[in-house]
Amino acid sequence: QVQLQASGPGLVKPSETLSLSCTVSGDPINSYYWSWIRQPPGRGLEWVGYIYYSGATKYNPSLKSRLTISVDTSKNQFSLNLNSVTAADTAVYYCARDREGGGPFDYWGQGTLVTVSS
Amino acid sequence: SFVLTQPPSVSVAPGETARISCGGNNVGSRSVHWYQQRPGQAPVVIIYYNSGRPSGIPERFSGSNSGNTATLTISRVEAGDEADYYCQVWDTSRDPQLFGGGTRLTVL
Repeated sequence: QVQLQASGPGLVKPSETLSLSCTVSGDPINSYYWSWIRQPPGRGLEWVGYIYYSGATKYNPSLKSRLTISVDTSKNQFSLNLNSVTAADTAVYYCARDREGGGPFDYWGQGTLVTVSS
Repeated sequence: SFVLTQPPSVSVAPGETARISCGGNNVGSRSVHWYQQRPGQAPVVIIYYNSGRPSGIPERFSGSNSGNTATLTISRVEAGDEADYYCQVWDTSRDPQLFGGGTRLTVL
């Protein structure tokens, strides 16, 4: 059974960098596409970006200038770094697997709430 | 840019049929996926590639996609179907993954 576990600080100060990791178990990360999706409190889902195991990435254009997604195949893990955060980046961040790069997202992590506040 | 439009809410009595629409310009030419999200939980894919159903998803859930509207149909609605439902497409022109705004299904 594939499982994804997101981890990282729950509180980040404005203008700083939000860093999260997602550890994948039950499936080698060196296949498929691996995405980050976020959901502000009480609102809908927003795709953040994905990385292919080869390192190729695709980002949401609205976040592209602040976003880096990377992969560490030796740890079966992929990561998100979002810099210059503001309160608008407060959200539950999910990591998810996408078999083909066009959806669907068939496995999701449980989500981790990140609050941007001083 | 491509936009997916869902009604904010749909209400239906138990045993009835719920239909949740997902509108977009020529969305019928794209593959649409549907997710169910219960409060406090991660979304779960319930329909993929317009009408496919993952294992474990009841046959009461079905999908269609034509023209400018994709539709999720839930037959014989149960109290446990109360949740938020999201459609999603792959928009190759801009955002590779795009979600609709979501629809809250209320079972009366």
